[in-house]
Amino acid sequence: DAKTTQPTSMDCAEGRAANLPCNHSTISGNEYVYWYRQIHSQGPQYIIHGLKNNETNEMASLIITEDRKSSTLILPHATLRDTAVYYCIVRVSRDDKIIFGKGTRLHILP
Amino acid sequence: NAGVTQTPKFQVLKTGQSMTLQCAQDMNHEYMSWYRQDPGMGLRLIHYSVGAGITDQGEVPNGYNVSRSTTEDFPLRLLSAAPSQTSVYFCASSPDRTGGNSPLHFGNGTRLTVT
Repeated sequence: DAKTTQPTSMDCAEGRAANLPCNHSTISGNEYVYWYRQIHSQGPQYIIHGLKNNETNEMASLIITEDRKSSTLILPHATLRDTAVYYCIVRVSRDDKIIFGKGTRLHILP
Repeated sequence: NAGVTQTPKFQVLKTGQSMTLQCAQDMNHEYMSWYRQDPGMGLRLIHYSVGAGITDQGEVPNGYNVSRSTTEDFPLRLLSAAPSQTSVYFCASSPDRTGGNSPLHFGNGTRLTVT
């Protein structure tokens, strides 16, 4: 089973920040949090990942709570092209089974 | 930059036929895996490999075989196709089997229909 829980769907107005939550309450100390997205039926695309600290790249920011039991992916200025399914997963360094849940379907509203 | 290449892009099979879905990566990645995605659903892990000569089962391995004779290639075999195997299949790879610090790179998928 997936080790994360995410809302099934979310809406966000174009131009606003999209904040996608993820719960991973059973995460262990050596597990990374990863975010991917899948646009239409394309192959999933890597967005960002982190262990303990908050991370930022050209696509998004990742905020991990201090207890690491949850995280938030932030798309700072959502556009219609950000409409996609977003997957949050955790990956432990010695566990090679990378399990995806059903993700969050993000709708960007014009 | 080819990345992860899957062939064919589309395939139609009759029940009982066999076929191999090809996956190749040119990034010298140790880890490779196969997922299937049914309409409106998330990704389910079929098989994975942490290096040449090593394979293991994922969540839904029944009806599929894999082998990893080289680092670059990880073919998925359907020995006797069933309509329940109609799905989109994605291959993925990542650089380091031991690193949690190792993003997956996905191919563009093979859309398989079994009639």
